[in-house]
Amino acid sequence: DQQVKQNSPSLSVQEGRISILNCDYTNSMFDYFLWYKKYPAEGPTFLISISSIKDKNEDGRFTVFLNKSAKHLSLHIVPSQPGDSAVYFCAASAYQFYFGTGTSLTVIP
Amino acid sequence: DTAVSQTPKYLVTQMGNDKSIKCEQNLGHDTMYWYKQDSKKFLKIMFSYNNKELIINETVPNRFSPKSPDKAHLNLHINSLELGDSAVYFCASSQDASGGVKTQYFGPGTRLLVL
Repeated sequence: DQQVKQNSPSLSVQEGRISILNCDYTNSMFDYFLWYKKYPAEGPTFLISISSIKDKNEDGRFTVFLNKSAKHLSLHIVPSQPGDSAVYFCAASAYQFYFGTGTSLTVIP
Repeated sequence: DTAVSQTPKYLVTQMGNDKSIKCEQNLGHDTMYWYKQDSKKFLKIMFSYNNKELIINETVPNRFSPKSPDKAHLNLHINSLELGDSAVYFCASSQDASGGVKTQYFGPGTRLLVL
């Protein structure tokens, strides 16, 4: 009963282009959504979040979009940089957090 | 100055042994968590403690027992380790579990390998 899904296990993007990472969820009670970035041998680190009352939140090169009717969340990184290469997890929260399985992003110099 | 720290970072042990993983946070957060990331990279919550009290206890074997001596520490003790317990275990903390912004901050993980 995976309530948060990231259907693309990996993504490769050229440096300077846009990276779009996608996430789908099933539970309409989720009220808070987050993206985490994870480097190998480290714990996930918080990147950006969005409340269910909003449809967009921007922080520098990172923008998160929320489409509640489609139960879809996306993270846009523009321009992508080689240092962005990592695994990105989306998470959704009602009473507790549910994480997706991650998308491994590779930004090619 | 690590915000959430875990020890040990790596743990290799035999089936049937008992082991503990320690977690400490210096962020002053009220809530701490244990997550398990399995071989499929699925990060799943195991336990959550708020001010030393258990508030979430997902379906995990009772061989796993969390212990919170104070709100800055949440240790995980595992009895009679099994092969399927091999995974990466992450500790996390957040400021508020009952509402409001509740971003979690994660430790570096403990890589457990049961032989």
